[in-house]
This record gives sequence, structure tokens and C-alpha cells, in this order.
Amino acid sequence: AQSVAQPEDQVNVAEGNPLTVKCTYSVSGNPYLFWYVQYPNRGLQFLLKYITGDNLVKGSYGFEAEFNKSQTSFHLKKPSALVSDSALYFCAVRTIGSSNTGKLIFGQGTTLQVKP
Amino acid sequence: NAGVTQTPKFQVLKTGQSMTLQCAQDMNHEYMSWYRQDPGMGLRLIHYSVGAGITDQGEVPNGYNVSRSTTEDFPLRLLSAAPSQTSVYFCASSYYGNGYTFGSGTRLTVV
Repeated sequence: AQSVAQPEDQVNVAEGNPLTVKCTYSVSGNPYLFWYVQYPNRGLQFLLKYITGDNLVKGSYGFEAEFNKSQTSFHLKKPSALVSDSALYFCAVRTIGSSNTGKLIFGQGTTLQVKP
Repeated sequence: NAGVTQTPKFQVLKTGQSMTLQCAQDMNHEYMSWYRQDPGMGLRLIHYSVGAGITDQGEVPNGYNVSRSTTEDFPLRLLSAAPSQTSVYFCASSYYGNGYTFGSGTRLTVV
């Protein structure tokens, strides 16, 4: 079965420190991978995606993610965290069904807490 | 360019009532989908559509109906609301699965 896992419910970091939010996936074929961020009482905002090419993907607000095919991971990273980065982060993978439906499957979400 | 528009933003229903959550997009995206968000469970796919006249079930379709008569609109119907359907609902659209745009959500409470 195709799935996405975010092993940490919450990640705590101090402002200015690097942050990593972990994501692993299980899909057949080549995955399309996404990261979204959700601020309280808001919708989902797109951060970045990996479709093909360079394994290091750069996205919005200084975030980046590294695609690792051998470890089936797509961890989200930022060199220096800001308090304003505190939010709920979702990893998602596009699945390819028999009809190429492109369903987007989400992980459970990871709450990032950046403390001053 | 409005993107994906969901209405209403908030709704309270009594058990057994019916209602329709509206979703419209103006980006000519062929793919549209509905998700529900519950604490600790991420977003779960309810129904999706790959084009006008074509719909299919996602992970949690029970209690919900959809139709896609136009490219722009993808309404979600609750025929007989239950407290278990209390959730936040998001509509999303995509151009061939290369990027997904989400609406701002509908917060539904069933009492």
C-alpha cells in the first residue's frame, strides 16, 4: 500500500538553530513528493516539491528538502529557524493509479515549535 | 484570479440534516479532490475527480457524495450528517498532479 509517514508528532528547536522535519514514503514507481505548511486556522500553503532532477529541492521561506531514493525519505530542512516558522507541516506523495489519477496522500503532520 | 474558493467557511448542522459544501476553481484544473482534516490524522482523501463527469472514492468516502458536472465546480454532499463528520474540510485542485492548490477550508460541526 502506498503511504507517507512523519515519525515525529512535534519538533522543538531554538530560534537560529537548524531544523529538520522527517518524512518517509512508500509508493510504487517514481514518486512526486510535496511539503505543505499550515498556520493555525488557515489552509495549506505549498512549500516545495520534488518531481525529478536534483535531489536537493529549494522552496519558499528558505526551506529545502532532500530526496533520498535509497532511504525513501524526503526530509524538510532549514538552516536557521525563525519563531514565525512555528506551524503544522505536512509531507505528501502523489500516487499513480491504474488510471493515472494522481491522488495526493498525506502524512499525519508534524508540529514545529520554534522557541525564542 | 481567485484560486480555489470554498463556501461556507463555517457550518453547524444537526444530526440527520443534509448540506452541500461548495468548491470552485478558476484555474482550469482537471483534477479536484476533497479532504477532511482531523487532529492527529492528517488529511484524508474523501473523493476525487480527474475531469468533468468522472469521480472516484478516496480513503474515507462513506457518508459523502460528489458530482462533477463542470470543470470548475466540485461540490461535496452530506446526505444525513453524523457527529463523526465533524471536521475541517478542504478542497484542492491540480494541473495534472504537478502542484495542488487548496481552498481555505470549511469548519463543520455536527451536533
